[in-house]
Amino acid sequence: EDQVTQSPEALRLQEGESSSLNCSYTVSGLRGLFWYRQDPGKGPEFLFTLYSAGEEKEKERLKATLTKKESFLHITAPKPEDSATYLCAVHTGANSKLTFGKGITLSVRP
Amino acid sequence: KAGVTQTPRYLIKTRGQQVTLSCSPISGHRSVSWYQQTPGQGLQFLFEYFSETQRNKGNFPGRFSGRQFSNSRSEMNVSTLELGDSALYLCASSTGQGANEQYFGPGTRLTVT
Repeated sequence: EDQVTQSPEALRLQEGESSSLNCSYTVSGLRGLFWYRQDPGKGPEFLFTLYSAGEEKEKERLKATLTKKESFLHITAPKPEDSATYLCAVHTGANSKLTFGKGITLSVRP
Repeated sequence: KAGVTQTPRYLIKTRGQQVTLSCSPISGHRSVSWYQQTPGQGLQFLFEYFSETQRNKGNFPGRFSGRQFSNSRSEMNVSTLELGDSALYLCASSTGQGANEQYFGPGTRLTVT
């Protein structure tokens, strides 16, 4: 069975203090790894898809990387508006089922 | 392009009742997946519909069912509601091909009393 573990569960940063969020996975046949951002009371917002080890993608202050066992979401010089829960999910089957981690709640203080 | 819409946004039901939730996917998307989100279990996959056929199903009891119409809109039904069914129900749409991105709606917050 596919397993996705995210760490830490919660992270508190000072504005401008860069850090990384971890997503480790155990799957058979990874087809894609997804990062989402979720604000309270809202649905997850798509951020990135990574398909193979070594791949990297960037968007503003966020950079996602992928190895054969884990993915990192690097946040450079975060701002308070980056505060949210960040979810990692894997896609392994022929259909559209995603298996999610429990998420990392990020809080950025001004 | 309009995003994924879900109705209603909030719902309060009593134990034993049934409920139907609706999801309209992004135009052109043929796959709709449903997820249940709770603080303890996180996001859990319920089922996926593609071109009006259920393509995959998660580990939920038979009280949870769904369907998809020819215009790709989908409904989810929960019968004989239990207190533990209180959750945020999310639907996601995608093209349904390959490891494609899924785009989520705002969710329906269901409270069972």
